[in-house]
Amino acid sequence: QVQLQESGPGPVKPSQTLSLTCTVSGGSISSGGYYWTWIRQHPGKGLEWIGYIYYSGITYYNPSLKSRVIISVDTSKNQFSLKLTSVTVADTAVYYCAREARAFGGHTVKNYFDYWGQGTLVTVSS
Amino acid sequence: DIQMTQSPSSLSASVGDRVTITCRASQSINTYLNWFQQKPGRAPELLIYAASSLHSGVPSRFSGSGSGTDFTLSISTLQPEDFATYYCQQSFTTPYTFGQGTKLEIK
Repeated sequence: QVQLQESGPGPVKPSQTLSLTCTVSGGSISSGGYYWTWIRQHPGKGLEWIGYIYYSGITYYNPSLKSRVIISVDTSKNQFSLKLTSVTVADTAVYYCAREARAFGGHTVKNYFDYWGQGTLVTVSS
Repeated sequence: DIQMTQSPSSLSASVGDRVTITCRASQSINTYLNWFQQKPGRAPELLIYAASSLHSGVPSRFSGSGSGTDFTLSISTLQPEDFATYYCQQSFTTPYTFGQGTKLEIK
C-alpha cells in the first residue's frame, strides 16, 4: 500500500519561502508511470493543482504559480519537495502531496490522483 | 484554463435516497473526468476515474457517466458514510482543475 506523508517546518512569514517535503513509502518514486504532485486547498475552499514532477526531474507547474514554484525530487530518499517563494497570506492553505497515475491503453490515457497524503496546513502570518 | 462547474453546490438527502451530482466543463474533455469524495479534515479520495471507471475498493453504489462537457456522479442508495463533499476534476490538460464542490448533507 502506497503512503504519502507531508512534512514541513510550520508557519511561514510573508515574503519568505514555504518548503514542504513528501515522503513516499510502500513503493518507489522511481517507478515509471507516476507523476508526483502538489495540490493545495485554501481554508473552506476548493482544490488547486500546483504542479508535478516525474522521477527523471521533468516538471510542470500551474501557470498561475509558475514564477514562484519549484518542485524537486530526491529518488535516494524516496521524497519530493515543494518550494513556494515570496509567500503572502493568500498562500495559507492545506497542502497535499499526491500521486498521479497514468495508464495507457490504445489511443487513450487514463490519469488520476489515486494516493494522497493527509495534508498539512501552512499558515502565512507575520 | 478549463473551468469546471458543479451543481448543485449543496444537497440535502436522506439515507437510502438516490442522488445525482452534475459537473460541466467549459470545453470538451472527452472522458478525462475524475470524481473525489472529501470528508472534513481528510484528504480527497478517488471514487471514479475516466468518467465511469470505479476505483478499486469503492462501493458499487457509486457510478459515473458522461463525455465531452457534461458528466454525472450518482449514488444509488445513500449510506451514512456518504455524507461528504464531492469534487469533479478534469485531467484532459494541465493545469488540471477542480469543480467548486458539492456538499451532501443529511436531511
